[in-house]
Amino acid sequence: DQQVKQNSPSLSVQEGRISILNCDYTNSMFDYFLWYKKYPAEGPTFLISISSIKDKNEDGRFTVFLNKSAKHLSLHIVPSQPGDSAVYFCAARGVAGTASKLTFGTGTRLQVTL
Amino acid sequence: DAGITQSPRHKVTETGTPVTLRCHQTENHRYMYWYRQDPGHGLRLIHYSYGVKDTDKGEVSDGYSVSRSKTEDFLLTLESATSSQTSVYFCAISDSHQPQHFGDGTRLSIL
Repeated sequence: DQQVKQNSPSLSVQEGRISILNCDYTNSMFDYFLWYKKYPAEGPTFLISISSIKDKNEDGRFTVFLNKSAKHLSLHIVPSQPGDSAVYFCAARGVAGTASKLTFGTGTRLQVTL
Repeated sequence: DAGITQSPRHKVTETGTPVTLRCHQTENHRYMYWYRQDPGHGLRLIHYSYGVKDTDKGEVSDGYSVSRSKTEDFLLTLESATSSQTSVYFCAISDSHQPQHFGDGTRLSIL
């Protein structure tokens, strides 16, 4: 049972345009959501997060939107740059004590073309 | 760059042999995690630790055991490796309520 879903395995966007990556979840107990970026042969790198009490969080070119009623979040990258080409994972946190157990989506491969 | 070192980075072994992967951190973070990454599944939590000698199971813990005898080291052991455990394994660390930071992974092939 996939509790966090990224339904688009890949996305291609022109440099300078907006990239929108989507993520859906089913567990209403998730309280925190994160996006990670992964380059080949490297570990995932934390990008941006949002608490379930907010609907938007912005950090430079990256903005994450959360729609709790729809159980949907999205990552916007504006403007997209070639260095943004990577696999992006959405993750949701379920709390076990104070440990953060993350449930990941399957990832979306973003390619930013010139 | 969080101080996380995974060893070995690559390993090829045979079915039925024991395998131990090591995660070493220099950040003195309380929590450590082991994940595996497989096509079509994203990253899945195997085990995690919330302190020295304190560990618990994750989503896909069958066939794996862990140990944490020091704050800085978290070991993942496959007692008798099977081909289904061929994967890329990632270690992560975090402090309370902070985002997890990941190592660069161990690519494990079981023939």
